[in-house]
Amino acid sequence: DAGVTQSPTHLIKTRGQQVTLRCSPKSGHDTVSWYQQALGQGPQFIFQYYEEEERQRGNFPDRFSGHQFPNYSSELNVNALLLGDSALYLCASSLFTLYGYTFGSGTRLTVV
Amino acid sequence: AQTVTQSQPEMSVQEAETVTLSCTYDTSESDYYLFWYKQPPSRQMILVIRQEAYKQQNATENRFSVNFQKAAKSFSLKISDSQLGDAAMYFCAYGSGGSNYKLTFGKGTLLTVNP
Repeated sequence: DAGVTQSPTHLIKTRGQQVTLRCSPKSGHDTVSWYQQALGQGPQFIFQYYEEEERQRGNFPDRFSGHQFPNYSSELNVNALLLGDSALYLCASSLFTLYGYTFGSGTRLTVV
Repeated sequence: AQTVTQSQPEMSVQEAETVTLSCTYDTSESDYYLFWYKQPPSRQMILVIRQEAYKQQNATENRFSVNFQKAAKSFSLKISDSQLGDAAMYFCAYGSGGSNYKLTFGKGTLLTVNP
């Protein structure tokens, strides 16, 4: 049973560029949440998607946007990249609630 | 807003010994969940143990157990018979239906296991 799959695993971008990160949830899960984990910190909630809509959003600027597709997969887009956006981006999927909340291995984004 | 505090940035333990990681949280909700996650160098967050706030009995998973003190808002993790594979970052996390099932994490505790 495939767990949560994220791509790519590593990414290097230049300041001002745009990036798209992808997440395929665990089979049977319908909710996808995105987290940003800066070096040496705990993950910070970015937003959550359920039924193709953003259900909740954390304290992140509008440069961070997302999408959920009918097959429950999700994308995280970040525009006008800043050096401070360098972090590990984690995707987690669940079945509506917190039961079975499963994380992927993340995408390491480096902005230079 | 809910907050989670882990006051021990680093801990170390001898192999086969017992170690306890501390976590406190702040919330005004009465129904919530608490979690301990392990993050090895592979980066994936692995669920170690979860506790529902309405359950008085402390959760146990093999060598891992928690001491949940709801009134004190404390949630510590005890690892018994520590193994080299237990070495990792450990994060305490809070979640609830009132927060639409997002998780709020502490800053983590780096656990080193010495042979």
